[in-house]
Amino acid sequence: GENVEQHPSTLSVQEGDSAVIKCTYSDSASNYFPWYKQELGKGPQLIIDIRSNVGEKKDQRIAVTLNKTAKHFSLHITETQPEDSAVYFCAASYTGGGNKLTFGTGTQLKVEL
Amino acid sequence: GAVVSQHPSRVICKSGTSVKIECRSLDFQATTMFWYRQFPKQSLMLMATSNEGSKATYEQGVEKDKFLINHASLTLSTLTVTSAHPEDSSFYICSAIKGSSSYEQYFGPGTRLTVT
Repeated sequence: GENVEQHPSTLSVQEGDSAVIKCTYSDSASNYFPWYKQELGKGPQLIIDIRSNVGEKKDQRIAVTLNKTAKHFSLHITETQPEDSAVYFCAASYTGGGNKLTFGTGTQLKVEL
Repeated sequence: GAVVSQHPSRVICKSGTSVKIECRSLDFQATTMFWYRQFPKQSLMLMATSNEGSKATYEQGVEKDKFLINHASLTLSTLTVTSAHPEDSSFYICSAIKGSSSYEQYFGPGTRLTVT
């Protein structure tokens, strides 16, 4: 089955700096890679996703890059703000196989003033 | 929009009793819903896939007789934890896929279950 590794487990940045979170996956059949933000006591919120036919996708301060050959994808947050502080999860799935998501272990992002 | 709700948001029950958690897609129809559990400071672990009108598919290691799932309509799936024990205490989260041809999962706010 799919295995997703995520690094770092914790990340502390100064407000205004950029944050990068990296994930690797094992199953070459995976073709959908979403990123979720989870605040304490709440459910995950989809913030951006990318399909395997695209190398990069951007939405305002958030971008995701995908390297299919190396089987890794990254989340980039620019101009970080205190409200970006949360746990971020990457995930991978094969859309032709039931859409089951395999999650990474999560990154606790703290944006300090 | 794609809003998923869960009820209750938190529940405390005594050991040996059963608890039902509801997951609703409020503004779309969901042929497929998923149930996850999450322990503190850990990732989400998929428990089962719930398809409307058919039996749920459980992940390896998840007891189907303990975690009863019913997906009776295109907007409602329920998870019943039967004969709950303290080790069942966890954060239970559902998600739903919008439409039959989509793949984006939208998550509910979660239900905190505490078994005393």
